[in-house]
Amino acid sequence: DVKVTQSSRYLVKRTGEKVFLECVQDMDHENMFWYRQDPGLGLRLIYFSYDVKMKEKGDIPEGYSVSREKKERFSLILESASTNQTSMYLCASIGDSPLHFGNGTRLTVT
Amino acid sequence: SQQGEEDPQALSIQEGENATMNCSYKTSINNLQWYRQNSGRGLVHLILIRSNEREKHSGRLRVTLDTSKKSSSLLITASRAADTASYFCATDRPNDYKLSFGAGTTVTVRA
Repeated sequence: DVKVTQSSRYLVKRTGEKVFLECVQDMDHENMFWYRQDPGLGLRLIYFSYDVKMKEKGDIPEGYSVSREKKERFSLILESASTNQTSMYLCASIGDSPLHFGNGTRLTVT
Repeated sequence: SQQGEEDPQALSIQEGENATMNCSYKTSINNLQWYRQNSGRGLVHLILIRSNEREKHSGRLRVTLDTSKKSSSLLITASRAADTASYFCATDRPNDYKLSFGAGTTVTVRA
C-alpha cells in the first residue's frame, strides 16, 4: 500500500515566519503535488514535480516555493507566512492513477 | 483552474437510502475520478472512469459519465453511517497528470 506521510498534522506559525511543510512517499513515484484546500473552493494546485529537482507552478503558486532534492521527498515552503495562507495543505503522489494523498497539514498563521 | 463542480453542495439522507451527486466539467477529459474525504483526513480514491466508458460499478458505488453533457454522477446505494464524508470529482486532460478538483459534496448519513 502506498504511504504518503506529511510531517505535521497541525501547525501554528506567526506572520512573516518561514514555514516548511514536508511530504514523503514510499512508492518511488515520480510525480508529486501540493494542494491547498479551503471551504467552498475545493483543492487548488500550488506546485507539482515530475522528477527530482524539477518543479512546475500550479494554479496558485504565489507566496510559495518547493524543493525536490530526493525522489521520495517534496517540500512546500512559505517564504514569509501570511494570514491568508491559513489552510489545509495536502500532498499527493502518483505513479499510474490514482493520486495517493497524505492526511494533510492544517496550518494556522496568526 | 477549477474544472469540476459538484452538485449538490450538501446532502443529508437516512441510513439505507441512496445518495446521488453530480459533477460537471468544462473541457475535454482523459479520465474522471471520484474521491472521498473523511473529516480532517486526506482524500481516498474511490473509482476512475475513462472518457470512453459510460458506466462503472465498484461495490455499492455506481458512476456514470456523459461526455456530451460533460457531466458525471456518483450513486452510493444502501448508504451507511460510515459513508458520511465529502466527495470530490477530479478530472485530468490528455497527456497531463494534473488533476482538477471540484469543491465537493458533503454527505451526511443519519442513523
